Amino acid sequence: NAGVMQNPRHLVRRRGQEARLRCSPMKGHSHVYWYRQLPEEGLKFMVYLQKENIIDESGMPKERFSAEFPKEGPSILRIQQVVRGDSAAYFCASSPGRENQPQHFGDGTRLSIL
Amino acid sequence: AQKITQTQPGMFVQEKEAVTLDCTYDTSDQSYGLFWYKQPSSGEMIFLIYQGSYDEQNATEGRYSLNFQKARKSANLVISASQLGDSAMYFCAMREGTGRRALTFGSGTRLQVQP
Repeated sequence: NAGVMQNPRHLVRRRGQEARLRCSPMKGHSHVYWYRQLPEEGLKFMVYLQKENIIDESGMPKERFSAEFPKEGPSILRIQQVVRGDSAAYFCASSPGRENQPQHFGDGTRLSIL
Repeated sequence: AQKITQTQPGMFVQEKEAVTLDCTYDTSDQSYGLFWYKQPSSGEMIFLIYQGSYDEQNATEGRYSLNFQKARKSANLVISASQLGDSAMYFCAMREGTGRRALTFGSGTRLQVQP
């Protein structure tokens, strides 16, 4: 499967724990994006990264959330001290270099907070 | 103001008929891109079609076409010859400006294709 790979598909955490969501972009894609989807809503942009750089984090909550895309390995979205309101589907997308090329999405990670 | 407005929360269509899903957008940028995505009940997001603001012709991809009316700021998705597998949520999204990559999504339209 040469598509965007996200894992885990489902993640359950208790309040106060940390959640780590992983995303491997499509082969040849160097741009990664994270979105959050609440039930029955559209996706909301969180952050845009290239290798080792955060390009646009205008949609990231100011606290507890962080993202990275290291030189080697997948992109990671980290949520510290999770709260019930963090329950959502988190989607990663990737694209090649040009801005008019579509972002291709992974299957998402469904995060549930107990 | 909403950047992307999808006014149809739900739509029904008979199998083999065509259906139009509405999308209007709001931007002051001259350069922007419009995208449609499909989200089946299984949850994944599937790219369908793209229209650039400077594209003179309406985009088409198989049974999908985009009715782009720039002056009206609308980018409606037309699905021809609907199939049962087309039942899903459909999201319109916009990328604004030069250099920005973030997509702004509408609230979606749930399409149900009836046999």
